[in-house]
Amino acid sequence: QSALTQPASMSGSPGQSITISCTGTSSDVGSYNLVSWYQHHPGKAPKLMIYAVSKRPSGVSNRFSGSKSGNTASLTISGLQAEDEADYYCFSYAGSSTLRVFGGGTKLTVL
Amino acid sequence: EVQLSESGGGSVQTGGSLRLSCAASGITFSNYGMSWVRQAPGKGLEWVSAISGSGGSTYYADSVKGRFTISRDNSKNRLYLQMNSLRAEDTAVYYCAKEDCYDFCYYMDVWGKGTTVTVSS
Repeated sequence: QSALTQPASMSGSPGQSITISCTGTSSDVGSYNLVSWYQHHPGKAPKLMIYAVSKRPSGVSNRFSGSKSGNTASLTISGLQAEDEADYYCFSYAGSSTLRVFGGGTKLTVL
Repeated sequence: EVQLSESGGGSVQTGGSLRLSCAASGITFSNYGMSWVRQAPGKGLEWVSAISGSGGSTYYADSVKGRFTISRDNSKNRLYLQMNSLRAEDTAVYYCAKEDCYDFCYYMDVWGKGTTVTVSS
């Protein structure tokens, strides 16, 4: 069960947009529209930001959006704000044998 | 408001056992699949196990298969994780998380705050 590949860290200035990538394989990200994204502030409960590739739960800011192309899913955060500084994880269904897999996580710093 | 609260964490010796519990409130518990996810110190999130709303279907990550058992008591609104043959690499914060559908929809919309498990020799 290999983790999905995310950049370890990214940074941006307030107001900018950033896109976090999540690369898998044709056995997980590429085969299913079942990618979700989670925001995790250390010491707190993770928070669902995007599910089913591009759907946004009620209450999540529309500054967060998701997409997928081939084996790579992406989370875009527009109009960066200080409170967006957190760890972000992608997650995907990976078929009947591997089942489910997280990305390694991306630490986002808002400069 | 939906709330999940984990308990049962603690320190245990290598090879020992521990049972985690997760109490759910604000939902019809039996209507939702549930998962356990963990985060080792300095590491990322790792999916551990999942169970359907009825408890009839269970799944495990390879890293815990044969050692951990997920179960639920819908009459008590509780989810459990029985952890046996614990190893140092099982040291982590363990989160319970609710899926947004009866069986599995492969995303978790509500999470608890976690309980810490430390395995040492």
